[in-house]
Amino acid sequence: AQSVTQLGSHVSVSEGALVLLRCNYSSSVPPYLFWYVQYPNQGLQLLLKYTTGATLVKGINGFEAEFKKSETSFHLTKPSAHMSDAAEYFCAVRGSKAAGNKLTFGGGTRVLVKP
Amino acid sequence: SQTIHQWPATLVQPVGSPLSLECTVEGTSNPNLYWYRQAAGRGLQLLFYSVGIGQISSEVPQNLSASRPQDRQFILSSKKLLLSDSGFYLCAHRDFFNEQFFGPGTRLTVL
Repeated sequence: AQSVTQLGSHVSVSEGALVLLRCNYSSSVPPYLFWYVQYPNQGLQLLLKYTTGATLVKGINGFEAEFKKSETSFHLTKPSAHMSDAAEYFCAVRGSKAAGNKLTFGGGTRVLVKP
Repeated sequence: SQTIHQWPATLVQPVGSPLSLECTVEGTSNPNLYWYRQAAGRGLQLLFYSVGIGQISSEVPQNLSASRPQDRQFILSSKKLLLSDSGFYLCAHRDFFNEQFFGPGTRLTVL
């Protein structure tokens, strides 16, 4: 079974400041991990993913995330926030093939960027 | 490239009325398809997934059902809507690289 916990349902950052969104997971299989972004009234867009190999993965819009197996974490960061980063962010872990490769999502973190 | 369509984009329905939401995928064959719901202030909840025509797995007991009459068509239905069925419904498909791609969603309001 899989689960994802996102610490903080809302995060407020100033424009130009570091964005840090926390994600911890549990998985019964080697995890495939994902971060998605959702803008209001739109579907989810993939930011980045970790499957195997390099533990620091870079995504779109300047975001990156680091897979830390020992901490069961996959935190998302961006060095300098832009106003356009205001959105909701979801961390997800993929289940086994036998279970349909379902994604289990965290509760989401809504990011507010202050000018 | 793969494209996923959902319609309608928005829907307002009275309690007790039926529901039919449609999702279609282009540019791929035999995709795994998924229905998710986002209720106000809550995360994404997986409702159903399908690995092929006529194959539906239900994740949670509820007032909804799903069907897959064609390879690239996934339908979410209800015979009688409840107030608690309100939410944002997202369809997704999984590609060869195990990424899930989401449609634009349907906003359902049950009054």
